[in-house]
Amino acid sequence: EAGVTQSPTHLIKTRGQQATLRCSPISGHTSVYWYQQALGLGLQFLLWYDEGEERNRGNFPPRFSGRQFPNYSSELNVNALELEDSALYLCASKVPWAAASGRKVQYFGPGTRLTVT
Amino acid sequence: TQLLEQSPQFLSIQEGENLTVYCNSSSVFSSLQWYRQEPGEGPVLLVTVVTGGEVKKLKRLTFQFGDARKDSSLHITAAQPGDTGLYLCAGAQTGGYQKVTFGTGTKLQVIP
Repeated sequence: EAGVTQSPTHLIKTRGQQATLRCSPISGHTSVYWYQQALGLGLQFLLWYDEGEERNRGNFPPRFSGRQFPNYSSELNVNALELEDSALYLCASKVPWAAASGRKVQYFGPGTRLTVT
Repeated sequence: TQLLEQSPQFLSIQEGENLTVYCNSSSVFSSLQWYRQEPGEGPVLLVTVVTGGEVKKLKRLTFQFGDARKDSSLHITAAQPGDTGLYLCAGAQTGGYQKVTFGTGTKLQVIP
């Protein structure tokens, strides 16, 4: 079974540009989570999508946005990039919320390293 | 905001030593996961614990969920350089849509 995949692996942008990151969840998973992990910091929750809808949002400005497609893959868009947006962006997927408690585990992709210069 | 505090934040030990990492909260979780993350990669799931007092073993790693399901520990016996990484705990809460909270992380370095 294929795991969570993310693309691109690395992304280099300049300040003010826009970045688009992509994530494909594990087959059968309907929830997709996005996290930012800046150097020296823990996982910061960004966004949670389930069944095509945004369910929850972390404490990030509106220039961080995303969407989930009918096939449950997801995009994270970051507009007006700032230097401090440089980080590893992680996507995780999870089974539908109605699944048994012990199966509600997030599985992570390898991440996209975004560098803003 | 629920918080999961991990301790210690950093740990540097010699190969062969034992260590314990703690994950504490004032909140009750329906399940708790432990992940290991290597630099530049995504976290990899190690274990899920669901029942209060549950103990799970994964080779040299022993995971315990507190009786009240508010805390957990990870014990590594005879640490090896391959155990080096960032260890993260994550607690899940039910009620409507499930919420997951990640711990602050413990960075472990095992020196050969």
